[in-house]
Amino acid sequence: QSALTQPRSVSGSPGQSVTISCTGTSSDVGGYKYVSWYQQHPGKAPKLMIYDVTKRPSGVPDRFSGSKSGNTASLTISGLQAEDEADYYCCSYAGSSVVFGGGTKLTVL
Amino acid sequence: EVQLVQSGAEVKKSGESLKMSCKGSGYTFTSYWIGWVRQMPGKGLEWMGIIYPGDSDTRYSPSFQGQVTISADKSISTAYLQWSSLKASDTAMYYCARHSGSYSIDYWGQGTLVTVSS
Repeated sequence: QSALTQPRSVSGSPGQSVTISCTGTSSDVGGYKYVSWYQQHPGKAPKLMIYDVTKRPSGVPDRFSGSKSGNTASLTISGLQAEDEADYYCCSYAGSSVVFGGGTKLTVL
Repeated sequence: EVQLVQSGAEVKKSGESLKMSCKGSGYTFTSYWIGWVRQMPGKGLEWMGIIYPGDSDTRYSPSFQGQVTISADKSISTAYLQWSSLKASDTAMYYCARHSGSYSIDYWGQGTLVTVSS
């Protein structure tokens, strides 16, 4: 069971949009509608941003959106803000277990 | 308010045993999977495994099967993660994590830092 593949880093200027990809296989991302995304600031516990591919928990700004096509899921952050600078992790159900992506560092320029 | 409160930081030597805890409150403990996530220094999140306190059904990541034991005591709403013989490579932050019905993690503990010296 391998980790999902994410770009190591992405960047964008305030107000712009960025998309973070998460590639798995038909045994995880492609096989289930159970992809979630987490934001982690340094020294803090992760925070759920997207679940079930596209759903946002209460309190998460609608600037955050999720999608999936085949074995690749994506997190899009529109209207970038300075506080969005963090590490982002995707996660997928993989049949009796769960697998995370390697993480992506988002830098707001 | 849902809360997961983990036990405090640990400093151990290689070969020692360890059992850390995570106490859940503000929800029905027996109705949600609860598990553990490792984060080694400067590295990403790794899912270790989960337990359903209602019936003690337990699932492990292949990477952690046989390396750790996950358990729960539903009478005190507490989940545990334990090692019988620690290694220096077990040095990490460990997060307790409540899983929703679709396996996303909706609540996290504050983390327990484990430092293992050789």
